[in-house]
Amino acid sequence: DGGITQSPKYLFRKEGQNVTLSCEQNLNHDAMYWYRQDPGQGLRLIYYSQIVNDFQKGDIAEGYSVSREKKESFPLTVTSAQKNPTAFYLCASKGGGLADNNEQFFGPGTRLTVL
Amino acid sequence: EDQVTQSPEALRLQEGESSSLNCSYTVSGLRGLFWYRQDPGKGPEFLFTLYSAGEEKEKERLKATLTKKESFLHITAPKPEDSATYLCAVQASGSGNTPLVFGKGTRLSVIA
Repeated sequence: DGGITQSPKYLFRKEGQNVTLSCEQNLNHDAMYWYRQDPGQGLRLIYYSQIVNDFQKGDIAEGYSVSREKKESFPLTVTSAQKNPTAFYLCASKGGGLADNNEQFFGPGTRLTVL
Repeated sequence: EDQVTQSPEALRLQEGESSSLNCSYTVSGLRGLFWYRQDPGKGPEFLFTLYSAGEEKEKERLKATLTKKESFLHITAPKPEDSATYLCAVQASGSGNTPLVFGKGTRLSVIA
């Protein structure tokens, strides 16, 4: 089955620690995205990558880092510089520009809690 | 700046009571408008993409429509299993991978 997987489902972090959230897709999509979701705030874009070995900052990139070494994988690192990291993190991928494959699909999410 | 506003924030319906959710948008050239359904603790599930004013799409009890300034998600005779948060997003003109801009969602509760 084609889709997007995220791991772990739940993650607990102590203050001062870096943690990495995994996102893998087998949809052969070029573009991948990371969003953060907080109650009442909607989805906010952290980073996105339109092609392997390239990525751009989104609206709230401070305190986060990413890499895109493979088409299938787009891991997100939440660094100790992120002051309020407790949130629900969503990864997504998207097909190219043609109308019939322009859909963006989401993974199941990772809930990060800072202790 | 591209912006999406959804209303109402929350909506409570009796089973069978039809209604509509609104998504107003401002965007520098619309490439596409997207509707998603999100259940608590899960990732959003894709519902529809609309590309031009006048376009309509249907799926079971849901119908999405689009004008030049807003989109509506009409829910006909809803059932309790339709309870979820419905998200609207727009993609501005550009490459096919330009990031979507999301609204804050409408939380729908359907009571039996």
